Amino acid sequence: DAGVTQSPTHLIKTRGQHVTLRCSPISGHKSVSWYQQVLGQGPQFIFQYYEKEERGRGNFPDRFSARQFPNYSSELNVNALLLGDSALYLCASSLTGLATEAFFGQGTRLTVV
Amino acid sequence: EDKVVQSPLSLVVHEGDTVTLNCSYEVTNFRSLLWYKQEKKAPTFLFMLTSSGIEKKSGRLSSILDKKELSSILNITATQTGDSAIYLCAVWRGGSNYKLTFGKGTLLTVNP
Repeated sequence: DAGVTQSPTHLIKTRGQHVTLRCSPISGHKSVSWYQQVLGQGPQFIFQYYEKEERGRGNFPDRFSARQFPNYSSELNVNALLLGDSALYLCASSLTGLATEAFFGQGTRLTVV
Repeated sequence: EDKVVQSPLSLVVHEGDTVTLNCSYEVTNFRSLLWYKQEKKAPTFLFMLTSSGIEKKSGRLSSILDKKELSSILNITATQTGDSAIYLCAVWRGGSNYKLTFGKGTLLTVNP
């Protein structure tokens, strides 16, 4: 069975640009959540979606947005990129959105220059 | 503000030693506590502990949840070099805003 897949694996963007990151959950999982991880820190929660509805939101600015599609895949969008947005972006899928085991993808390494 | 604190932040042991990693939390509307192992990129799921499942064991790894003390421990016995990794503790909150809050992690180094 395929695990959580994220694309792209690496990305370099310039300040002020926009970026879209993609995530496909494990087959049968209906919830996707997004995290930002900078070096030396644990992942920071950005969003959770379940059945295409936002179920949770972390303390990130409005430049960050996400959505979940009918096939349960998800996109994370970041506008007006800042140098501080450079990080590993992780996606996790869960069978439901109700505080169950969350399984992570390999992440997208975003570098903003 | 939800808070998850792990200790120690780093630990160096020799193969064969037993280690105990600690996690304490202050989370509104607690639902469950999860442990992960992170070696390169993706955190790998280890255990989930809830009010109805406060103790889990898998091979040399075991974990206990103490809901009274708002804490959990992860034990690793007979450590191996392959156990070297960052161990992350995370807590789900429920209610109107589901959120998974992570600690900073414990960096475990197992020397041969």
